[in-house]
Formats: sequence, C-alpha cells, structure tokens
Amino acid sequence: ELKVEQNPLFLSMQEGKNYTIYCNYSTTSDRLYWYRQDPGKSLESLFVLLSNGAVKQEGRLMASLDTKARLSTLHITAAVHDLSATYFCALPWWFAGNLIFGKGTKLSVKP
Amino acid sequence: DTGVSQDPRHKITKRGQNVTFRCDPISEHNRLYWYRQTLGQGPEFLTYFQNEAQLEKSRLLSDRFSAERPKGSFSTLEIQRTEQGDSAMYLCASSHPPGGQGQDRYNSPLHFGNGTRLTVT
Repeated sequence: ELKVEQNPLFLSMQEGKNYTIYCNYSTTSDRLYWYRQDPGKSLESLFVLLSNGAVKQEGRLMASLDTKARLSTLHITAAVHDLSATYFCALPWWFAGNLIFGKGTKLSVKP
Repeated sequence: DTGVSQDPRHKITKRGQNVTFRCDPISEHNRLYWYRQTLGQGPEFLTYFQNEAQLEKSRLLSDRFSAERPKGSFSTLEIQRTEQGDSAMYLCASSHPPGGQGQDRYNSPLHFGNGTRLTVT
C-alpha cells in the first residue's frame, strides 16, 4: 500500500524568506502531483512530475522529484502573502485517478 | 471551459436523512471521480467512472453510498441514512484519459470542483 508523508504539516514564514516542503512516499510511482488548496476552495493543480530529476518552476514555487529517494520537494522562494494556502502532494495508486494524498502542509506567510 | 461544478455548496442534514449531491464535469472529460476530505486531511478516493461505467469503488464507500453517472455526463452521489461520521467535504474531479496529444492529456491531472460540504447534525 502506498503511504505519502509530508512535512512539515504547518509552516509559518515571513515574507521574503525561502523554505522547502518535503513529500516522501513508500512505493515506486511513475508520477507525482502537487496541488494547492485555499480555505473553503477546491484543489488547484500546480505541478505534475513525471521522471527522476524532473524540476518544474512556476513563479516563486519550484518542485523537484527524486524517484530513487522517493522524495519530492516544493521550494518556496521569497515568500509572499498570496502563497498562504495548504499544499498537497499526491501519487496515483493502482490506477491513474486513484490519488493518494499527503496530509498537506498549511503555509502561512506573514508580513 | 467552466471547470467542474458541484451542487449544492453546503448541505446541513439531520442524522438518518438521505442526501444527494450533483457534479458536472468539464465537458470533454470522460473520467469522473468522487473524493471525500475531512478536516486536516488530504482527499480520499471514493469512486471512479469512465463514461457511464463505474469502474472502481473504494472500501470507504459503504453500502449507504451510491453513485451514478447515467448518461456519461453529470454524476450524483447519494448517501442514505446519514451518520455524523459522514460530515466532510465531498469533492468531484474529472480528467482526460491518459495518452493522446497535448501535455494535459498525457499528464491527465485531476481537475477538482469546489466541493459540497456536508454537515450531519
């Protein structure tokens, strides 16, 4: 069974600082997703990582995947308040639409 | 593309009552999923349709839960004899099948709706 662990679960940052969220998973997978969720809202797809060494960047967020270590990271550069949200990593299990999510990292960026 | 829409946004019901939720997927997506999310947790898979066929059901989906997608377009999720433990956000998602041209079709990420928040009192 696939287990997905994120850490930290809560992260309070100051604006302008850098930080990294970690996503570890227990079994081999051919892809990993990062989603963002604002309070009371739906999940927004941020990145799909498909291969070992994959790196994708969008604005102040950069995601990478190390399939050998079964680890993905989401790096935040020079955080701004608008990045405050909960970030989830997820991987498919058994078939593509059955995503196993981590518990999420609740990010709060303070001025 | 108006996204995945769900109705209602909120539902408060008394224990023992039946409730039904509706999901309208993105029109060109033939795959539709239901997930459940409780406070402080990531979403959990409930069931999956390809066109009108229900192909997978999680063991989380007790016999009080039933989902349909009669014409391969919108879907309904019904919960009978609701219990307080059913209180959660119910999320619907849709996707292309994997393969085909274009990055989105290959990657086939799930596109989620805004969810229906169910409170059972």
